[in-house]
Amino acid sequence: EAGVAQSPRYKIIEKRQSVAFWCNPISGHATLYWYQQILGQGPKLLIQFQNNGVVDDSQLPKDRFSAERLKGVDSTLKIQPAKLEDSAVYLCASSLARGFNSPLHFGNGTRLTVT
Amino acid sequence: QQQVKQSPQSLIVQKGGISIINCAYENTAFDYFPWYQQFPGKGPALLIAIRPDVSEKKEGRFTISFNKSAKQFSLHIMDSQPGDSATYFCAAYNYGQNFVFGPGTRLSVLP
Repeated sequence: EAGVAQSPRYKIIEKRQSVAFWCNPISGHATLYWYQQILGQGPKLLIQFQNNGVVDDSQLPKDRFSAERLKGVDSTLKIQPAKLEDSAVYLCASSLARGFNSPLHFGNGTRLTVT
Repeated sequence: QQQVKQSPQSLIVQKGGISIINCAYENTAFDYFPWYQQFPGKGPALLIAIRPDVSEKKEGRFTISFNKSAKQFSLHIMDSQPGDSATYFCAAYNYGQNFVFGPGTRLSVLP
């Protein structure tokens, strides 16, 4: 099966600019996650979708981050305006369903550098 | 309560040796404990996982040991190979709180 696709692979922007990341999950996967991975740290959940509804966005900085999953398939994550501390790898993951029986499948991420 | 602690931060092992990475958690509501392996430029990939009703799980050269009373679990890599060089993340999960990842251990296996 095709894996989780993410684009772009790399993005460099200046602070206060905006940026968007795209994710296409594995076909048939109902649950989609966006994680932020700062260098030297483990992934931190930003938002979780079940189909096209938000399940958990408690750690999403909503004043600057937004995400949507239209039609319950692909998803975009936007940052506006970006701050220096947003420099990180943004990972998208998908799973068949919620629950431990549905392991996470990660994409290769988008590395964001904010200067 | 949400934190998963992981040690060591980095580990260097000779080829053929045993690599051991330890994790600890506080929240007793966690009920699933996976380990992920991440190579540079790639996303994490599930390596092996365990539920708390089992004290040990082995898959090939990889073994998870789980101590429920101590709220600790560890990954053992037997006969470590240079191809095992990667960053390893432990994680803990429950349905309500999702996956919480440890900070990672960078493993280097010397040839």
